[in-house]
Amino acid sequence: GQQVMQIPQYQHVQEGEDFTTYCNSSTTLSNIQWYKQRPGGHPVFLIQLVKSGEVKKQKRLTFQFGEAKKNSSLHITATQTTDVGTYFCAESATGNQFYFGTGTSLTVIP
Amino acid sequence: DTGVSQDPRHKITKRGQNVTFRCDPISEHNRLYWYRQTLGQGPEFLTYFQNEAQLEKSRLLSDRFSAERPKGSFSTLEIQRTEQGDSAMYLCASSFRGYYGYTFGSGTRLTVV
Repeated sequence: GQQVMQIPQYQHVQEGEDFTTYCNSSTTLSNIQWYKQRPGGHPVFLIQLVKSGEVKKQKRLTFQFGEAKKNSSLHITATQTTDVGTYFCAESATGNQFYFGTGTSLTVIP
Repeated sequence: DTGVSQDPRHKITKRGQNVTFRCDPISEHNRLYWYRQTLGQGPEFLTYFQNEAQLEKSRLLSDRFSAERPKGSFSTLEIQRTEQGDSAMYLCASSFRGYYGYTFGSGTRLTVV
């Protein structure tokens, strides 16, 4: 399947610290989506980015799409224990089916 | 509709047996997707439908796998002659026209013994 590189694989942070995960593709993307999966749960859609250089915010979460539309990042400010889970980017070259990255597992230490 | 429903939630089967899973998408959604997820990995694309038409099927999907979506409503995923490597969580998702995020179901966890 399509290879979607996501780093880091794991991240442990103290509650209140910031967290960033990165997604890189070898091809130019049509759009990119971000999902969160809690332990034992299923992926839940967070956001979709379409435009080059696009930045979107959801409360403490900031999502960015690279100028070349080949990379994306998710930044969480002042993490909370409710942020625990695995964050996946999902990329599409055509806008049809999406291919998921390997995910970044976030652990927040109280 | 409250979301995407999948049945059963868990399935244990002996190697060599056939299994079938069902997915009921959100009724307004015309696209339906099947993914497979193993522990510590991201969901792996298997196939997707737009209405009743199966538009794409992953090359990873062997001939033992088949999916249908009669009348563009619910979908079934069948695995014939199951192997231990088929053990995974099978996730179904639906979306509207593919331009918006997927809504995933809770999945069917398959264990092949």
